[in-house]
Amino acid sequence: AAGVIQSPRHLIKEKRETATLKCYPIPRHDTVYWYQQGPGQDPQFLISFYEKMQSDKGSIPDRFSAQQFSDYHSELNMSSLELGDSALYFCASSSVYDRDIYGYTFGSGTRLTVV
Amino acid sequence: DQQVKQNSPSLSVQEGRISILNCDYTNSMFDYFLWYKKYPAEGPTFLISISSIKDKNEDGRFTVFLNKSAKHLSLHIVPSQPGDSAVYFCAASAGNTGNQFYFGTGTSLTVIP
Repeated sequence: AAGVIQSPRHLIKEKRETATLKCYPIPRHDTVYWYQQGPGQDPQFLISFYEKMQSDKGSIPDRFSAQQFSDYHSELNMSSLELGDSALYFCASSSVYDRDIYGYTFGSGTRLTVV
Repeated sequence: DQQVKQNSPSLSVQEGRISILNCDYTNSMFDYFLWYKKYPAEGPTFLISISSIKDKNEDGRFTVFLNKSAKHLSLHIVPSQPGDSAVYFCAASAGNTGNQFYFGTGTSLTVIP
């Protein structure tokens, strides 16, 4: 069965560069969530989208922006990267129609390293 | 403010025995709860969920119990297997249209062969 696809799997960037992370939800899923997990830390919610509209916003820095496109995939754009942005970024998707049965499905994450 | 808490950072269990992982929450608006299993450098893997209208949900070796009055849920794994060794997170959310879900701090389960 199709899963949540994230690309790239690994990314190395220098300070002050920009990065774009992509998330392709499971087909028919209408909601996408972005989380950031630093080494040894709990996942921190960044932002979510439902039906291509921003739904909820967490601790996302102003340097970051995100959107959900008409095909429901989402992109997280990160600018002026800092060393502290190094983390595992994972997205999850769900459907309002069957979330109570199937829950949220996570991607494998993008490991971002800022040097 | 940690709205979902897992007070046991680690747990060791013998193979074949029951593993019980606990989770407490503070927000009475939460209506949906999940358990995830996570390996290092990977995204979480969904295990089992429960909505607030139920107090128990089973899926194979995994059972989740919800006690709304105590704001407590637990995950039972019976029988425990070495392949179950991982970090387990509970998570909770309120509503179903993109509201964030809140993770607990995780419990590292080790199943000893």
